[in-house]
Amino acid sequence: QVQLQESGPGLVKPSQTLSLTCSVSDDSISTGGYYWSWIRQHPGRGLEWIGYMYHTGHTYYNPSLKSRVTVSVDTSRNQFSLRLTSVTAADTAVYYCVRQWFGAHYYFDLWGRGTLVTVSS
Amino acid sequence: QSVLTQPPSVSAAPGQKVTISCSGSTSNIGSNYVSWYQQLPATAPKLLIYDNDKRPSGIPDRFSGSKSGASATLGITGLQSGDEAAYYCGTWDSSLNAVLFGGGTKLTVL
Repeated sequence: QVQLQESGPGLVKPSQTLSLTCSVSDDSISTGGYYWSWIRQHPGRGLEWIGYMYHTGHTYYNPSLKSRVTVSVDTSRNQFSLRLTSVTAADTAVYYCVRQWFGAHYYFDLWGRGTLVTVSS
Repeated sequence: QSVLTQPPSVSAAPGQKVTISCSGSTSNIGSNYVSWYQQLPATAPKLLIYDNDKRPSGIPDRFSGSKSGASATLGITGLQSGDEAAYYCGTWDSSLNAVLFGGGTKLTVL
């Protein structure tokens, strides 16, 4: 059964870079057929889509975050990563790595458990 | 304030039916597929409905989805206490060029 697991620091200082990795088990990112995405949820609030990547390296980001976001893939480790630069307290959230159905259907069929990242000095 | 509008809360008794609405516009719901997610307390969201009205394997037929114009609806019949959760709609917005989610609806089973 395919599983996604986020990992990374739970505390990041303001103005620094948030870096998270998602490990994908029992499914190969390289085989294609899915986008691999990041979604975040601010405490007690709704969901915000950050962006996705395809195994070829193609990426697409939420325009509201585009200037600060990079999603990349390491196919040899079957992992994909999120980098968010110049963080502020407004970036404090639970970050989920998610499998997104390929194509123009835009739904997310498999989610990691999520990891809380707090931005604080 | 979300572009996709959901009621903050709904409630119904066990065994009853409830509907949750998601209102958008022609640039999002009106021209793209809608999905629905269930988020139980302290857990990650789970896909309930995709492509407006399709259920993934393992999702009981108590859950249904529909779309009309720029609005979508999630229906839940035979309510159970285990259905208490937050429910989110999601879709692509062709003007904003981003996936959007509704603000979420908290379901209380009385």
